Amino acid sequence: DAGVTQSPTHLIKTRGQHVTLRCSPISGHKSVSWYQQVLGQGPQFIFQYYEKEERGRGNFPDRFSARQFPNYSSELNVNALLLGDSALYLCASSLVTSGGSTDTQYFGPGTRLTVL
Amino acid sequence: AQSVAQPEDQVNVAEGNPLTVKCTYSVSGNPYLFWYVQYPNRGLQFLLKYITGDNLVKGSYGFEAEFNKSQTSFHLKKPSALVSDSALYFCAVRGQFGAGSYQLTFGKGTKLSVIP
Repeated sequence: DAGVTQSPTHLIKTRGQHVTLRCSPISGHKSVSWYQQVLGQGPQFIFQYYEKEERGRGNFPDRFSARQFPNYSSELNVNALLLGDSALYLCASSLVTSGGSTDTQYFGPGTRLTVL
Repeated sequence: AQSVAQPEDQVNVAEGNPLTVKCTYSVSGNPYLFWYVQYPNRGLQFLLKYITGDNLVKGSYGFEAEFNKSQTSFHLKKPSALVSDSALYFCAVRGQFGAGSYQLTFGKGTKLSVIP
């Protein structure tokens, strides 16, 4: 089975621009989460979507937004890019348990965003 | 708020020797604990998880982890290290209730170097 896929692999933008990152989950997974990993740090939670609804949002500004499509793929959008947005953006997909909790999250290879 | 501490930035071990990567956590309710590994310029790869039951959890590639509720620890172990185990290891926790039940909180990571 194919794992989580993300595109593009690398991206270079300048300050003030907008970026869209894409993620396709593992087949059968209806939940997608986004994380930001700055160099030398652990991943930080940005969003989780389940059945096209936002379930949660981490401590990120409104410049960050996301959505999930009927096929459960997802997009992460970042407006007005800052130098500090340079990071590896990771997408993870998971099943959701009968109790509503997120099961094991499986990660994609990430998109490396560089803001100049 | 939930949190994870990985007290060692780097662990060096000789090939063939046992290895331990330490992790302590803080979370409301019962913890759901995970270990992931990250190779250079790659996403996170799931190794193992603790949800409930036996305190010793076995995972991929010969890794195991021991859950200790009284010490709020979840240390990663392997009886005999391989050079190919050299990578960045992340411990993560998910809570039992509310917002913490779907977002993973990661430690800063521990770089494991296995010396031939």
